Amino acid sequence: DAMVIQNPRYQVTQFGKPVTLSCSQTLNHNVMYWYQQKSSQAPKLLFHYYDKDFNNEADTPDNFQSRRPNTSFCFLDIRSPGLGDAAMYLCATSTPSQGERQFFGPGTRLTVL
Amino acid sequence: GENVEQHPSTLSVQEGDSAVIKCTYSDSASNYFPWYKQELGKRPQLIIDIRSNVGEKKDQRIAVTLNKTAKHFSLHITETQPEDSAVYFCAASIWSSASKIIFGSGTRLSIRP
Repeated sequence: DAMVIQNPRYQVTQFGKPVTLSCSQTLNHNVMYWYQQKSSQAPKLLFHYYDKDFNNEADTPDNFQSRRPNTSFCFLDIRSPGLGDAAMYLCATSTPSQGERQFFGPGTRLTVL
Repeated sequence: GENVEQHPSTLSVQEGDSAVIKCTYSDSASNYFPWYKQELGKRPQLIIDIRSNVGEKKDQRIAVTLNKTAKHFSLHITETQPEDSAVYFCAASIWSSASKIIFGSGTRLSIRP
């Protein structure tokens, strides 16, 4: 089945230790998004790619970076995780032919010790 | 930029009764309004969406209404069931090739047996 996959589902890292979260999609969608969702809050957009074009949200900390080596994969790199970065990280995709609908992956829950 | 306000933050209804969640948006250019349901620890799931050229849309027990003049939109769930218990997010976006969804703050809906 076509889908959005996130690995790992649960990630534990230490304070200050770089971590990478992975998202892949079999939908062949042009756009991939990364959201951060903290407990009892709405998802917050960090950045998105339209094909290879990177779009950063103005309030996304420099500590967060992203890479999209090809259509299928997108990575979220957290260079120096702090305790405040513990959250669920959601990847989503969309494509112009399906309008504005975004399809979410299952998320990666990040714990920072 | 767009701002979406959502009310109430929590809602408890008797099983079988109706539930209504209301949202307002600020940017009159917004033309796409999705609603997401999120169960604990799971991804946001699109349950219904409406575009600005439509005033109402229904899908079985779920309906959404849109008042463009007042910049209000609402989610109606009839004949509520225990499995409707979840957090519901409204959202708004301006369609473009890569839509940015602005989420409301969420409503925690509880269905009392």
